[in-house]
Amino acid sequence: TQLLEQSPQFLSIQEGENLTVYCNSSSVFSSLQWYRQEPGEGPVLLVTVVTGGEVKKLKRLTFQFGDARKDSSLHITAAQPGDTGLYLCAGLGSSNTGKLIFGQGTTLQVKP
Amino acid sequence: KAGVTQTPRYLIKTRGQQVTLSCSPISGHRSVSWYQQTPGQGLQFLFEYFSETQRNKGNFPGRFSGRQFSNSRSEMNVSTLELGDSALYLCASSLVRGARTFFGQGTRLTVV
Repeated sequence: TQLLEQSPQFLSIQEGENLTVYCNSSSVFSSLQWYRQEPGEGPVLLVTVVTGGEVKKLKRLTFQFGDARKDSSLHITAAQPGDTGLYLCAGLGSSNTGKLIFGQGTTLQVKP
Repeated sequence: KAGVTQTPRYLIKTRGQQVTLSCSPISGHRSVSWYQQTPGQGLQFLFEYFSETQRNKGNFPGRFSGRQFSNSRSEMNVSTLELGDSALYLCASSLVRGARTFFGQGTRLTVV
């Protein structure tokens, strides 16, 4: 069974601070997707990483896929209150499946 | 381009009843999957459909079923509702299996 361990589960920081969220597994994933979810809404896709070692940037957010495609990280620089939400990593076991394996999520609160 | 549309957004049902949830994928997307989200368990995979065929099924009882139509629209059904079925049910679609996956806003089901 493929599992994704996401950490930390909760993060409360001040505006302007940096943070990193980690997603780790003992299994290889064909791709990994990061989502952000607001209360009562569906997850919104932020980025998909496919190649081992890949780094993608989305404004102040930097996403990295591990060389072995077993882990990923999300780094936010100079967090803002608008970054508050639930961040989810989700992996696809192969390119021939639509089944996403989700991490437990990281609840981020950025205080002004 | 319209996103994934789920109807209804909210439902209140009584124990023992059954419920049908609907999902219209993004135009052109052929893969549809369903997830259950609860505070305690996070996002759990229910099933995946592609070309009107169920390709994957999660670890849920037989009371949970689904189907996909020729226009890729999908429905899921839960029979003999239990209190524990209260959750946010999320539908997701992708162009093909293993591609970037986009979620709808979800249907909030409350069983009383």
